[in-house]
Amino acid sequence: QVQLVQSGAEVKKPGASVTVSCKASGYTFTNYGISWVRQTPGQRLEWMGWISGFNDNSDYAHKFRGRLTMTRETSTSTAYMELRSLTSDDTAVYYCAREDRGHWSFLDLWGRGTLVTVSS
Amino acid sequence: DIVMTQSPDSLAVSLGERASINCKSSQTLLHSSNSQNYLGWYQQKPGQPPKLLIYWASTRDSGVPARFSGSGSGTDFTLTISSLQAEDVAIYYCQQYYSSPYTFGQGTKLEIK
Repeated sequence: QVQLVQSGAEVKKPGASVTVSCKASGYTFTNYGISWVRQTPGQRLEWMGWISGFNDNSDYAHKFRGRLTMTRETSTSTAYMELRSLTSDDTAVYYCAREDRGHWSFLDLWGRGTLVTVSS
Repeated sequence: DIVMTQSPDSLAVSLGERASINCKSSQTLLHSSNSQNYLGWYQQKPGQPPKLLIYWASTRDSGVPARFSGSGSGTDFTLTISSLQAEDVAIYYCQQYYSSPYTFGQGTKLEIK
């Protein structure tokens, strides 16, 4: 069925990096993009960025530029999100969500989320 | 960044009654090129990811019950549940996709009275 399957929970120390994967199935990966959204313990939703499944286009929220990299692998229909220089403020559930490949669109399919805990 | 403000923060409504959640954006979400409002509504139940309910401010996503409706234009939007069911207990978020970075409202927690 149509779904996004994310990698498992991670525990990282401050200063480390984390990579979360998001594997798409049930639809043509290159016809859509993937946005990444995180949810803090206070339940706030924060959009991090978008990457096209079709080409190398991407759009990062300025808050994360410099320590966020989004990539995709069309052969396996998988998107990746790498966040570097982690602090305790990065403790959150990270979601991938499907978006129109042309960007500027709604998020119509979500992964179940990956909990990232940053703690010394 | 566009700031999205929802009201109220929490809401308790009796079963079968109407529930309304408001969302206000700091800038217009109406795009002049296509006359579309770049606004979505999501429902999130405990332990689950957000689920898209409404897009383009008023279009129900596939499979969403007809009791959910969205209205508004420009900077003021409303999500209405016409007859509250027990399964509608959740947190509801509005989101703008008009400009980067996309931003979400703070959420409205809907409970049964």
